[in-house]
Amino acid sequence: QVQLVESGGGVVQPGRSLRVSCAASGFTFSTYPMHWVRQAPGKGLEWVAVISFDGTNKYYADSVKGRFTISRDNSKNTLYLQMYTLRPDDTAVYYCGGAGYWGQGTLVTVSS
Amino acid sequence: DVVMTQSPLSLPVTLGQPASISCRSSQSLVHSDGNTYLNWFQQRPGQSPRRLIYKVSNWDSGVPDRFSGSGSGTNFTLKISRVEAEDVGVYYCMQGTHWPLFTFGQGTKLEIK
Repeated sequence: QVQLVESGGGVVQPGRSLRVSCAASGFTFSTYPMHWVRQAPGKGLEWVAVISFDGTNKYYADSVKGRFTISRDNSKNTLYLQMYTLRPDDTAVYYCGGAGYWGQGTLVTVSS
Repeated sequence: DVVMTQSPLSLPVTLGQPASISCRSSQSLVHSDGNTYLNWFQQRPGQSPRRLIYKVSNWDSGVPDRFSGSGSGTNFTLKISRVEAEDVGVYYCMQGTHWPLFTFGQGTKLEIK
């Protein structure tokens, strides 16, 4: 059974950093590209970033380029999103996804 | 950047009746490898997204066959042959052809009349 479990969300002040994680199980994590997608309250889905299966290639939406870093540890079947210089408009539920599956999300709230 | 435009944005449907959602892309979604990477997602109220259809018309595991996807080039359609109560939610198309930038449509909210 495929599972993607995000964690690490919370309330953070503008300008601070936060790292969210995604633990994968039930499929061969190391063979799939993995994505982060976010959804602001009451809004639609926004693609954030993707990382290749081996971690060598990483791409970002313009809205987060230069502030967010996607990474993965295939030995731990875990995907990460390191977020720097957070802004109020980064407030959203962050979902990880890959191989056609998506996690339940973790809420990041940027507020003073 | 590729823009994905869905219509309608709101879709009231009577139970047991068909429903259809359109998705248009600003550029062709035919990849150089010959595939068309157009996906459909369902997001039920309070839940995470679930992929229903990949590469235009292929069902993901467990997806009822009342859902079907079709289209080519820049025009795509998701159809539900007979709407059931569990189909309420928001439906999104998403293109993956123009890697590495992926784009979602705005979403279509399906509700029961």
